[in-house]
Amino acid sequence: GQNIDQPTEMTATEGAIVQINCTYQTSGFNGLFWYQQHAGEAPTFLSYNVLDGLEEKGRFSSFLSRSKGYSYLLLKELQMKDSASYLCAVWKDSGYSTLTFGKGTMLLVSP
Amino acid sequence: DGGITQSPKYLFRKEGQNVTLSCEQNLNHDAMYWYRQDPGQGLRLIYYSQIVNDFQKGDIAEGYSVSREKKESFPLTVTSAQKNPTAFYLCASSNPGLAGRHNEQFFGPGTRLTVL
Repeated sequence: GQNIDQPTEMTATEGAIVQINCTYQTSGFNGLFWYQQHAGEAPTFLSYNVLDGLEEKGRFSSFLSRSKGYSYLLLKELQMKDSASYLCAVWKDSGYSTLTFGKGTMLLVSP
Repeated sequence: DGGITQSPKYLFRKEGQNVTLSCEQNLNHDAMYWYRQDPGQGLRLIYYSQIVNDFQKGDIAEGYSVSREKKESFPLTVTSAQKNPTAFYLCASSNPGLAGRHNEQFFGPGTRLTVL
């Protein structure tokens, strides 16, 4: 089976830094994705990690530890437009390229 | 521009009626997926297809059916057997078999189905 856990909600202040954690227990692992989803819209790709370590892309960074089954998404210099749901998804190496999604973390950025 | 289209954005149906949601992509992707999203539930996989004329059940396939007669199209039918059809439905596509980021899934804008 598989289990992906993320906090349900987080709040932060404009200009601050926030870290959204994701832990996973899956029957296979071929990488981890982070997506951003604004209310009522399609998820959009943020990052992909397959090797341990930190991947930095502008204000967003993503970290992976395969041995610990743990990832986090780090958002710096928060802006109001960063208020959204952040989805962690694991790519299982099952021969088919399906993703298993966590329930998402709703981030609210306040002035 | 390349992308995925879903129509309509909002759809209303009476209970007991079948309804088909459309999904079209011009990204030349081999794989296509259907997800259902409910409040607080994240995305749950309904059906997926790796190639034309082939598809596989996902985690919550009961009450749904699909077809993949063309590479570009992957319509989803919500049948009367689906007990709780009201939800936000998302279609996605990707190019599997390529390592790393290329297996990123691209999503359509979604269809919000309300069954009255």
